[in-house]
Amino acid sequence: NAGVTQTPKFQVLKTGQSMTLQCAQDMNHNSMYWYRQDPGMGLRLIYYSASEGTTDKGEVPNGYNVSRLNKREFSLRLESAAPSQTSVYFCASSEGPNYGYTFGSGTRLTVV
Amino acid sequence: QQQVKQSPQSLIVQKGGISIINCAYENTAFDYFPWYQQFPGKGPALLIAIRPDVSEKKEGRFTISFNKSAKQFSLHIMDSQPGDSATYFCAPPNQGGKLIFGQGTELSVKP
Repeated sequence: NAGVTQTPKFQVLKTGQSMTLQCAQDMNHNSMYWYRQDPGMGLRLIYYSASEGTTDKGEVPNGYNVSRLNKREFSLRLESAAPSQTSVYFCASSEGPNYGYTFGSGTRLTVV
Repeated sequence: QQQVKQSPQSLIVQKGGISIINCAYENTAFDYFPWYQQFPGKGPALLIAIRPDVSEKKEGRFTISFNKSAKQFSLHIMDSQPGDSATYFCAPPNQGGKLIFGQGTELSVKP
């Protein structure tokens, strides 16, 4: 099925460890996004990529880095995980401004 | 700065009733007004959206209404069903195309 695929689905990290969350879309969308979702806080934008080769910070970028590897793939890296980064992470893609987003099923990350 | 304010935070409706969720926004540059539906353990999914050149759009039991002068848009779910129990987000994109999410409304439809 066409859509956004995220890996892994679950991950437990120790404080200070690093990891990369992977995201791939097969809808030929230009724009891709990383959000985090915390209880009572809705979804907050971490980083986005308006098109291949570009990335920009969102609302909560501290502690994260991203790579737009090609048009399909957009990865999110935590260099030194902290307990405050315990969250559910969602990747999304869209054709561009003023179009609906397609979200992945999420990665549930726990940092202990 | 909160640009989107959603209400109520939670809503309990009897099966067959009408669910109404409101979204007030500040940024008049918004040009697209979507509602997303999220089930537990899943990512949000686009439910219905409207552009500001129309005041209402209906898709099955779901209706979105838009009031430009009041800077508000609403989701109405007619004949609410237990399967509609989910969290609903309004999320208009800003000029850069990035969604600005409301805080979410947790809807529970009782049988």
